[in-house]
Amino acid sequence: AQSVTQLDSHVSVSEGTPVLLRCNYSSSYSPSLFWYVQHPNKGLQLLLKYTSAATLVKGINGFEAEFKKSETSFHLTKPSAHMSDAAEYFCVVWDSGYSTLTFGKGTMLLVSP
Amino acid sequence: DTGVSQDPRHKITKRGQNVTFRCDPISEHNRLYWYRQTLGQGPEFLTYFQNEAQLEKSRLLSDRFSAERPKGSFSTLEIQRTEQGDSAMYLCASSLGGWYNEQFFGPGTRLTVL
Repeated sequence: AQSVTQLDSHVSVSEGTPVLLRCNYSSSYSPSLFWYVQHPNKGLQLLLKYTSAATLVKGINGFEAEFKKSETSFHLTKPSAHMSDAAEYFCVVWDSGYSTLTFGKGTMLLVSP
Repeated sequence: DTGVSQDPRHKITKRGQNVTFRCDPISEHNRLYWYRQTLGQGPEFLTYFQNEAQLEKSRLLSDRFSAERPKGSFSTLEIQRTEQGDSAMYLCASSLGGWYNEQFFGPGTRLTVL
């Protein structure tokens, strides 16, 4: 089965503090994993993707994620939050045994001054 | 702007009416996808095209839903006899090649069925 669980529906941080958005996945094969971000009234945008190369993946806007097979996790991190990071973030899995993407329910990141 | 565009951005209709949405993908992209997103949920796959061929349909896509992509360019998604449960954001995305490639999303069409 192909599924993804985002462990927090909302995460609140202060500007300048680290960000951690948690994602666990389930996959029967070797998955590809993605993080997408959705700003209000804008289309979803790819932040980064893992496709079985380096386990530490760097994305846009200072975000990165680490693929940990033993923990079936793909958590998204950023050292220092910016106000413009406030948005909804989706963890996404694609398993080669399936012909679709599966999205998590999303984590809303709130950034306070 | 050469991104994915969707029209209309908002649609309010009465239960039982038919509605049609349009998606214009990035021009060189051979794949086009439709998703549905309801409040508090991530996007759910509905269907996708490779060029003009519809290759996969989700079980979410009841027989009241139909999608086309004539000539492998723009796509339309039609919902017949709309129901209140059809109220959602309908997202279109396009990509080059397979599922492991980046999908570029449009801003969505928000459907409200009264």
